[in-house]
Amino acid sequence: GIQVEQSPPDLILQEGANSTLRCNFSDSVNNLQWFHQNPWGQLINLFYIPSGTKQNGRLSATTVATERYSLLYISSSQTTDSGVYFCAVLYSGNTPLVFGKGTRLSVIA
Amino acid sequence: DTEVTQTPKHLVMGMTNKKSLKCEQHMGHRAMYWYKQKAKKPPELMFVYSYEKLSINESVPSRFSPECPNSSLLNLHLHALQPEDSALYLCASSPNSDGSFYGYTFGSGTRLTVV
Repeated sequence: GIQVEQSPPDLILQEGANSTLRCNFSDSVNNLQWFHQNPWGQLINLFYIPSGTKQNGRLSATTVATERYSLLYISSSQTTDSGVYFCAVLYSGNTPLVFGKGTRLSVIA
Repeated sequence: DTEVTQTPKHLVMGMTNKKSLKCEQHMGHRAMYWYKQKAKKPPELMFVYSYEKLSINESVPSRFSPECPNSSLLNLHLHALQPEDSALYLCASSPNSDGSFYGYTFGSGTRLTVV
């Protein structure tokens, strides 16, 4: 079946530290998105990245589609980065977006 | 307008009540979705509408009834819910049902409590 695996499940960082979150998927994908869910529940789209590398400020993401993984990099972390980071993929055949279990990030001052 | 708007933000309802959740987008997207999220879990798909027609129902109980009156609007009608239905209900849209080009855009959700 469809599998999306994220690691690590939990991460605690000191403010200013860098981190890498990983997403492994089990088949070729039409779409891969990284989301940040804030404490109020809103899912904020960080990157739409089925392949390649993108950067937005302190965040960047890389998807290596041929090796079936994606990485989210957070540099110089801030307390506002806390929350849950979800990787979600859309496989071929019009299957809807499927979420991994997420990485829960806590950034402490 | 690049948003998906959900109302209400919070809802408390009794098990005998009937209520509706509303979702609206004006991005010209032709696919809309309802997801349900329990605490400390990822969102799980409930329904997919593509070009205003229901295309996927993930075996959701009939006490949840979706409706897509037009291409901009998606409703979720609730009736005779159980306390275990308490959750965050998220609406999303995408340009088409294969989620290509820009992916999915999510609303801020309705936090539902059934008492």
